[in-house]
Amino acid sequence: DAGVIQSPRHEVTEMGQEVTLRCKPISGHNSLFWYRQTMMRGLELLIYFNNNVPIDDSGMPEDRFSAKMPNASFSTLKIQPSEPRDSAVYFCASSLGSGGAGELFFGEGSRLTVL
Amino acid sequence: DAKTTQPPSMDCAEGRAANLPCNHSTISGNEYVYWYRQIHSQGPQYIIHGLKNNETNEMASLIITEDRKSSTLILPHATLRDTAVYYCIVMSGTASKLTFGTGTRLQVTL
Repeated sequence: DAGVIQSPRHEVTEMGQEVTLRCKPISGHNSLFWYRQTMMRGLELLIYFNNNVPIDDSGMPEDRFSAKMPNASFSTLKIQPSEPRDSAVYFCASSLGSGGAGELFFGEGSRLTVL
Repeated sequence: DAKTTQPPSMDCAEGRAANLPCNHSTISGNEYVYWYRQIHSQGPQYIIHGLKNNETNEMASLIITEDRKSSTLILPHATLRDTAVYYCIVMSGTASKLTFGTGTRLQVTL
């Protein structure tokens, strides 16, 4: 199994530009999670989907952030416009089952730098 | 979900057992204890979880006290590759999201 695949691994952009991060979950998993990690705030859950439907987006910082899951094998996290404070590592994770989602499989992350 | 308390850092000699404690005194009856670790620059990795009984897998053992107010993750023979931040997380069986704290930074040394 290839695991959770994220792209790009690294992204450097300028303030105001649009950023799109991509995630392919493990086949057969029906829950998908987007986390953000910074030194100051640690690992924060941004949003999670179950069966392609957003269930809880309370962690999304503001309207500049949006996430979609058009099908079971693909999700995007978009930041528009990006700001320097969005610089972080963004992780995607997937799991089996809608409840008891304790065993998550994480991707290698997308490191975003906004100048 | 119940709050957990972990020491910020620990050291362990290679080849020795690493015992990582976690306090979760407010845990309720339907909440599980999960352990994850994050090796530098990688995504978090699931290690093990349990409810009441002690658990063991190929990576580690989880010892939960009888009153369930604390637990210990045991890496029986730590190697340099076990150097990581270890997170103890309490989550109910019906919850759908995992909330990470600050964890314990384990340094395995020669």
